[in-house]
Amino acid sequence: AQSVTQLGSHVSVSEGALVLLRCNYSSSVPPYLFWYVQYPNQGLQLLLKYTTGATLVKGINGFEAEFKKSETSFHLTKPSAHMSDAAEYFCAVTPSGAGSYQLTFGKGTKLSVIP
Amino acid sequence: GAVVSQHPSWVICKSGTSVKIECRSLDFQATTMFWYRQFPKQSLMLMATSNEGSKATYEQGVEKDKFLINHASLTLSTLTVTSAHPEDSSFYICSVRPGQLMNTEAFFGQGTRLTVV
Repeated sequence: AQSVTQLGSHVSVSEGALVLLRCNYSSSVPPYLFWYVQYPNQGLQLLLKYTTGATLVKGINGFEAEFKKSETSFHLTKPSAHMSDAAEYFCAVTPSGAGSYQLTFGKGTKLSVIP
Repeated sequence: GAVVSQHPSWVICKSGTSVKIECRSLDFQATTMFWYRQFPKQSLMLMATSNEGSKATYEQGVEKDKFLINHASLTLSTLTVTSAHPEDSSFYICSVRPGQLMNTEAFFGQGTRLTVV
């Protein structure tokens, strides 16, 4: 069974500082990887995804993530945090092989941006 | 991207009553929809997979008689919480995944905040 680990349930950064949210997966075969953002009392919105090809993926709102197979990681970064980035962020995976295409989510990381 | 509309966005009900939550796929036909539950400050837990025209597939530990799912059309799935109790209070979110492929993104409804008093 696959699992997703997000290190740090809460991350605080100053406005303008680097954002780094960590995600590691456990799977014998690299899965498809996704980052979603959730604002309070709302559904989830896709930030970016990795399926195949270039391991550095750029998403919306200036976010990007790099798939590192050797480290089984897919960390999310943004060079300069903005107040509007304050939200909950979820890393999710889907198996790349045959089988169910349901998403498995990490526990989430709440990002706070300090003015 | 797909637009998913979930209704209501919040509901308060008395213990023992039933509540129906609707999930509509507005711009594409969804043979499969997913229902999640999210407790405060926790991740999304898949409750069940709703299949158009057939029975839903429930995850282990989810009571199918309590959480009734109906997927009567390609654009609508409903989740009914029967005989609701305070412990059922949670945030419920539906999702669709166009193309039903593992590398496609999922689109989510805005969620329903259920409070049982």
